Amino acid sequence: DIQMTQSPSTLSASVGDRVTITCRASQSISSWLAWYQQKPGQAPKLLIYMASSLQSGVPSRFSGSGSGTEFTLTISSLQPDDFATYYCQQYNSYPWTFGQGTKVEIK
Amino acid sequence: EVQLVESGGGLVRPGGSLSLSCAASGFTSSRHSMNWVRRAPGKGLEWVSSISWDSSSTSYADSVRGRFTISRDDAKSSLYLQMSSLRAEDTAVYFCTREGSTSCSTTSCYIDFWGQGTLVTVSS
Repeated sequence: DIQMTQSPSTLSASVGDRVTITCRASQSISSWLAWYQQKPGQAPKLLIYMASSLQSGVPSRFSGSGSGTEFTLTISSLQPDDFATYYCQQYNSYPWTFGQGTKVEIK
Repeated sequence: EVQLVESGGGLVRPGGSLSLSCAASGFTSSRHSMNWVRRAPGKGLEWVSSISWDSSSTSYADSVRGRFTISRDDAKSSLYLQMSSLRAEDTAVYFCTREGSTSCSTTSCYIDFWGQGTLVTVSS
């Protein structure tokens, strides 16, 4: 199975900060990576697919980059609505695997 | 508007069975592969099972293979998960999800819509 390792597990930041979350795959997954945002009590929401493609309706302050085994999700200027947990997921092969999540907290 | 609404969750004893349903609306379900993903209390997301758009292919996580069965009825725009021999570690919120249909790998695509989830609790 492909292991997905996210870092950090928790991130404390202020409104307006630039935030970067890293996701590493245990083997190459090309660009078959998605990023999701989940808030308490809500369903996850797709932010980025194919490593760097922004899902329709998602604010442009979110961006993704990387290929192979190393990927990043960047929020250029953190907004109050962005405090949530973020997950990466590989869809290169079954079984799909998710990172353990990064909780973005208010500093 | 795409909507996925799960039902069928509840409390079940270890070793018992439960059937989950997902009602899809706002899109042609027969054009999309569908999946179940779960989140156990205090843990992250875990993929459970997938079924291709034409039901020709199904996949399961090792943790549920042989105990869970995924199926779909596109005439009813519905996705199902039949769960048997349930264990305490199956306790989780189960999400019905839809796969996108573009920018896909050779095996699957990303999840573009999620339902709100239904809670399954396995406890004596």
